[in-house]
Amino acid sequence: GQQLNQSPQSMFIQEGEDVSMNCTSSSIFNTWLWYKQEPGEGPVLLIALYKAGELTSNGRLTAQFGITRKDSFLNISASIPSDVGIYFCAGTAGNKLTFGGGTRVLVKP
Amino acid sequence: NAGVMQNPRHLVRRRGQEARLRCSPMKGHSHVYWYRQLPEEGLKFMVYLQKENIIDESGMPKERFSAEFPKEGPSILRIQQVVRGDSAAYFCASSPRGRDTEAFFGQGTRLTVV
Repeated sequence: GQQLNQSPQSMFIQEGEDVSMNCTSSSIFNTWLWYKQEPGEGPVLLIALYKAGELTSNGRLTAQFGITRKDSFLNISASIPSDVGIYFCAGTAGNKLTFGGGTRVLVKP
Repeated sequence: NAGVMQNPRHLVRRRGQEARLRCSPMKGHSHVYWYRQLPEEGLKFMVYLQKENIIDESGMPKERFSAEFPKEGPSILRIQQVVRGDSAAYFCASSPRGRDTEAFFGQGTRLTVV
């Protein structure tokens, strides 16, 4: 079946830093979605990408749909403490909505 | 426009009982996905439904689990004769078209089997 490899699995952020995470697959996807999940809550849609090569921003978040349609990245610029959480990528191919394993973003102590 | 509504938020069941989890999609959405999440883990696909039809149930355990999305009313995920291993968070997501479009999640139902 389709699999999404999301990396890194976890990262520490310092306030003000730019951070980046990505998802790769051996399969082609038609849509890429990025979600954030906080403890005890459901995933919240951050950005949706519909075309290969598309670059989309939502505030301090920027995501790109890879030109090969097999990858996507999410950047967070000037991170703040409330950016902590788990970020999931997801790809669609027809009816299938497949999720990556998540990137846990934590604050540097 | 209300979001995806799931209830109950928390459900405690004794081993052997039945659990019924409800999901009301966003207005105008006729496609529903169910996912299961264990603590510290990702989202595992269970089933995808359109109104009155199960489209893909490849992620559903073969026994004890069933799902429906009737013409009227919420989608229901039903777990019969629950066991401790069923304890997890169950999320549903709704989509306007299903194919290659965004999906929006509810807040989940946290099932605890004691």
